[in-house]
Amino acid sequence: GDSVTQTEGQVTVSESKSLIINCTYSATSIGYPNLFWYVRYPGEGLQLLLKVITAGQKGSSRGFEATYNKEATSFHLQKASVQESDSAVYYCALSEANTGKLTFGDGTVLTVKP
Amino acid sequence: EAAVTQSPRNKVAVTGGKVTLSCNQTNNHNNMYWYRQDTGHGLRLIHYSYGAGSTEKGDIPDGYKASRPSQENFSLILELATPSQTSVYFCASGETGWNTGQLYFGEGSKLTVL
Repeated sequence: GDSVTQTEGQVTVSESKSLIINCTYSATSIGYPNLFWYVRYPGEGLQLLLKVITAGQKGSSRGFEATYNKEATSFHLQKASVQESDSAVYYCALSEANTGKLTFGDGTVLTVKP
Repeated sequence: EAAVTQSPRNKVAVTGGKVTLSCNQTNNHNNMYWYRQDTGHGLRLIHYSYGAGSTEKGDIPDGYKASRPSQENFSLILELATPSQTSVYFCASGETGWNTGQLYFGEGSKLTVL
């Protein structure tokens, strides 16, 4: 089946430093899945951060970026300078184009230290 | 404001009892989904629906039933609850077509089965 792997369960970064959260995927039943990053801020519900539906394209939101790399089957999340308000849990996910079913990674807890 | 609301938000049930989790959406989306999330893991799909009257099995449907009586409502039913079904359950709605995978989530229902 399809799967998403996030290698870091927890990441701690100092404010104003750069960030990368790794995500790789395996889409055995889908040609080119849609790729997503979802985020859960403390006390809030799960919400979409960014999405990319075309291989080779980059998505961006709130200073975060992720590029759909179909050769490496990766969709890493990056930010040049993190803020304390970025502390949250980040989930990488892929979807089947027809059903919209999402397959999630296990999530990465980001803590930004002041 | 478009929203997905779940009830109850917290539920304690006994082993062998029946549990119904309800979900209502005002997004007018065709697709609805039930996921469960266990500590330290990503969300896993239980059942989903393409519209009123339809239900489909997700990745982990055993022990669960679903019901979609209307566009707005989607229920998850545990006929004989077991302690292994202790988890947080999330309902979501989403569109069909090219935008699939962009889901809108409820706040979650925490279920404890004793």
